Amino acid sequence: EAGVVQSPRYKIIEKKQPVAFWCNPISGHNTLYWYLQNLGQGPELLIRYENEEAVDDSQLPKDRFSAERLKGVDSTLKIQPAELGDSAVYLCASSRRTGIYNEQFFGPGTRLTVL
Amino acid sequence: GQQLNQNPQSMFIQEGEDVSMNCTSSSIFNTWLWYKQDPGEGPVLLIALYKAGELTSNGRLTAQFGITRKDSFLNISASIPSDVGIYFCAGQNNAGNMLTFGGGTRLMVKP
Repeated sequence: EAGVVQSPRYKIIEKKQPVAFWCNPISGHNTLYWYLQNLGQGPELLIRYENEEAVDDSQLPKDRFSAERLKGVDSTLKIQPAELGDSAVYLCASSRRTGIYNEQFFGPGTRLTVL
Repeated sequence: GQQLNQNPQSMFIQEGEDVSMNCTSSSIFNTWLWYKQDPGEGPVLLIALYKAGELTSNGRLTAQFGITRKDSFLNISASIPSDVGIYFCAGQNNAGNMLTFGGGTRLMVKP
């Protein structure tokens, strides 16, 4: 079974430029998550989708960040405009409810550097 | 911000030694999880704990869910070089759809 796919793996941009990250979850996983991971810290949830609906986006800075999950499969996370403090790893994860725990499977992440 | 306090932040040990790390929270969680993250990769689940007091093993790994539901520890016995990485604890909410991660413990193993 293929894992969570993310692209690009690395992105370097200048501040004030837009940037987009793409995620393809594991087939059959209806829940998709975007996390932000700053250097030396654990992942922090930005947004969670149940199918195509964003059900938890309370931690998403909506002035510059947006996300979409058209058709409930792939998802795109966008930043416009990027700021220096946005430099981090952006992780995508997916899960399918089985029993009492939804194991989240993580992609390799996109490392963003804003200059 | 993050609510889980993970200790130690880093460890440098000799191959063959045992390792212990812990995680404490100001909040109660119903499920505790331990992940490992290798450089350039996403976290991978090692052990999941569902019940207060539960002790679970996975090979050389042993983890316990504290009785108060506010803490957990992870032990690695007889460490090997491939144990190198960052270990994260995470607490899961009641609905089973949200994880709160600790700050991580960076483990380095000297052959």
